[in-house]
Formats: sequence, structure tokens, C-alpha cells
Amino acid sequence: GAGVSQTPSNKVTEKGKYVELRCDPISGHTALYWYRQSLGQGPEFLIYFQGTGAADDSGLPNDRFFAVRPEGSVSTLKIQRTERGDSAVYLCASSQDRAETQYFGPGTRLLVL
Amino acid sequence: KQEVTQIPAALSVPEGENLVLNCSFTDSAIYNLQWFRQDPGKGLTSLLLIQSSQREQTSGRLNASLDKSSGRSTLYIAASQPGDSATYLCAVRISPGTYKYIFGTGTRLKVLA
Repeated sequence: GAGVSQTPSNKVTEKGKYVELRCDPISGHTALYWYRQSLGQGPEFLIYFQGTGAADDSGLPNDRFFAVRPEGSVSTLKIQRTERGDSAVYLCASSQDRAETQYFGPGTRLLVL
Repeated sequence: KQEVTQIPAALSVPEGENLVLNCSFTDSAIYNLQWFRQDPGKGLTSLLLIQSSQREQTSGRLNASLDKSSGRSTLYIAASQPGDSATYLCAVRISPGTYKYIFGTGTRLKVLA
């Protein structure tokens, strides 16, 4: 069956540009999570959606980062005025309701030049 | 502030060995702990989840234990195989009110044929 998909798989952009990263969760999964993983580090929590609403956005580093999930399925992570320090792999995961098991996508590798 | 540490950072063993990966956390007030596997360029796969009230969980050749009072968890892999080669991450969920997981930096395991 289809797992969590993320597009694009790789994104190269210039400092100051705007980027959007997309996550397609497993069909029927109401919970969706975004993480950021820098090289050699574990994933860092960014935001958690339950349905259409952001239930916990405490991990977003600053107001340049924003995420939406307007119809409770696909989610988009938006980064404004990108900085070189934003370079990382952005991981998305989904789970059934509040079930513990999170299913991860392959990630989007973002490089800000 | 909860911090999660994994030792060793990297481990190389011959096929067939039993091995132990360590995870320690600074605040014993956790809700649960999960062990994940990450293959290069891929997302994470959940291996075992231990609730705070449990002492251990087993799945096949994997056994995870939890000692909350000492802030430690171990992942035991029996009869290691080359296919076990991956990065193993532990993550703690700090309370039932948040779905935020705090990850360690992982242990890179290589099992030699």
C-alpha cells in the first residue's frame, strides 16, 4: 500500500528565497507531524497536526516557518526568507488518530546556498 | 529540559554477535520511549514502543528495556545480521499532553558479513 510521500525529494534554493515542502500522509491518518533532521543529528520536532488544526507548533524555530493542512490530508511546510542554517532533511510522518506508531516519509533534502 | 543521549555513536560488529545499544535521558518523567531504525536516505521505522509503566518490549530478535528511575533504555539485538546495519534512534515523549518526541543523535550500526 502507499506510504507517506514527500515532494520534492531534493530542493536547492538561494538564501532569501521562499520554499514549500509537501507531505502526503497515509490515507485515513488524521495525525501528521513535521520534523527537521540535520546531518548527524536526530530528528527535531517542528509541528503536529490533528486533522486540519495545528495541535502543537512549539517546535517551529521562528516565524519564517509555517505549516498548513487545509483539508486534513496533505500538508505543506512553508519557509520564508530561507537561511543557510535551514539546510536539513525535512521529515513528515503520519499516524492513525492518536496512535503511537508514526509512519515516516523519505524526507525532503533542502539545501540553501 | 529533556536531553537524550545515545552511546556509542557508531558500532561495527561481525555477523552473529549479540549487541546492546544505549539511550539515556535526563528527565525521568517521560510518557513513553520509542526505538526507531533509519536506513540511509530513508525515513524512520518504528521498532519498539515502551510505555512509562513497562519495563521491556520484545519483537523478534529485538528487546528494549526501560529503567525510568535511572533514565536509561537499552536496545538488545540478538544474532545480528548484515541487514541490521542502519542508524538506531531512541526518542522520548515527555507527556501525554504533547505528541512531541525528543530524539537522541543515534547509533550507526554496521554488521559485517
